[in-house]
Amino acid sequence: QVQLQESGPGLAKPSETLSLTCTVSGDSISSYYWSWIRQPPGKGLEWIGNIFYSGNSNYNPSLKSRVTMSVDTFRNQFSLKLSSVTAADTAVYYCARVYSSSWSDAFDIWGQGTMVIVSS
Amino acid sequence: AIQLTQSPSSLSASVGDRVTITCRASQGINSALAWYQQKPGKAPKLLIYDASSLESGVPSRFSGSGSGTDFTLTISSLQPEDFATYYCQHFNIYLYTFGQGTRLEIK
Repeated sequence: QVQLQESGPGLAKPSETLSLTCTVSGDSISSYYWSWIRQPPGKGLEWIGNIFYSGNSNYNPSLKSRVTMSVDTFRNQFSLKLSSVTAADTAVYYCARVYSSSWSDAFDIWGQGTMVIVSS
Repeated sequence: AIQLTQSPSSLSASVGDRVTITCRASQGINSALAWYQQKPGKAPKLLIYDASSLESGVPSRFSGSGSGTDFTLTISSLQPEDFATYYCQHFNIYLYTFGQGTRLEIK
């Protein structure tokens, strides 16, 4: 059974860099694309970016200048760094597996999510 | 970028009701649409992909239809555990977008 678990600080200071890691268990990280998605309190879902085990990544254009994603195949983990954070980056951050179907991509397995608050 | 607009934003229904939620794309997207269910404090759960394909383990009372710009998620007979928020989602050229969500409440 594939499971994803987010980890990282729950608090970040304005202008600093938010760092999160997602640990994949029950499957090799080399088999799929992996994503980060976030959800501000009481609001909808926003895709942040994708990464493949090779390091090939794609980011949401609205966040691209501040996002860096990386992968560690040895530890079966992938990570997110979001720089120059503000209160608007306060959200639950989810990692998810990308499932490629006949027509499109969807997110078939999700982590439980981790709340990150940006505050001084 | 393609925009997804869900309607209604919220609705109230009773156990046993048949419910339909609509997702409209700002341009044609063939069958490239997925649906998710999210309960409070939980991660979203994939229900439907490719507009009408039921994800493994999802009850058959859930169904999806549509292509092009207009899509629907139907719950044939609401169960107590179905009260949640539902999102549609599309992927195109390395950009994933979500609808704003439809909150399904108990009447």
